[in-house]
Amino acid sequence: GENVEQHPSTLSVQEGDSAVIKCTYSDSASNYFPWYKQELGKRPQLIIDIRSNVGEKKDQRIAVTLNKTAKHFSLHITETQPEDSAVYFCAASMPDNDMRFGAGTRLTVKP
Amino acid sequence: DTGVSQDPRHKITKRGQNVTFRCDPISEHNRLYWYRQTLGQGPEFLTYFQNEAQLEKSRLLSDRFSAERPKGSFSTLEIQRTEQGDSAMYLCASSLKGTATEKLFFGSGTQLSVL
Repeated sequence: GENVEQHPSTLSVQEGDSAVIKCTYSDSASNYFPWYKQELGKRPQLIIDIRSNVGEKKDQRIAVTLNKTAKHFSLHITETQPEDSAVYFCAASMPDNDMRFGAGTRLTVKP
Repeated sequence: DTGVSQDPRHKITKRGQNVTFRCDPISEHNRLYWYRQTLGQGPEFLTYFQNEAQLEKSRLLSDRFSAERPKGSFSTLEIQRTEQGDSAMYLCASSLKGTATEKLFFGSGTQLSVL
């Protein structure tokens, strides 16, 4: 089955700086790559996603890039704010299969 | 409330007891997933359904775990003879197969504590 690895496990940045979280996946058949944000005690919430036919996608301060050849994708958050502090999970799924998650990155944005 | 709902929110049980959790997905969603999450880890896949059919079950899942989705709507996850290692957050998610993306929408989870 699919195996997703995520790093770093923790990331601390100063407010206003950028944050980058990287994930790799094992199965080249995976074609859908979402990112979830989970605040303490709350459910994971989808923040952005990308399909394998697209190399980059942006939504205001967040963007995701995908390199199919290298089988890795990244989350970029610009102009970070304290409310961006949370645990972020990447995931990958293949057609007609379940979704597998990375272990998560705890992002702390210091004011 | 049109989101995914789970019941109960918290469950405390003694080792050896059986527990059952319920998940009500978003009404038009045909896929339903169960995940387990422990502190500091990502959601770990357990099983998923498309309508009432259970399509995949994790090899890591003990025979003590069973899930059903009898009418293709709500689902139940039962853990028999609970062990302390079963303590975790059990998350349910649903999605609509056949749409452009396979976005998962999560419930708030059931926090299980086995004493």
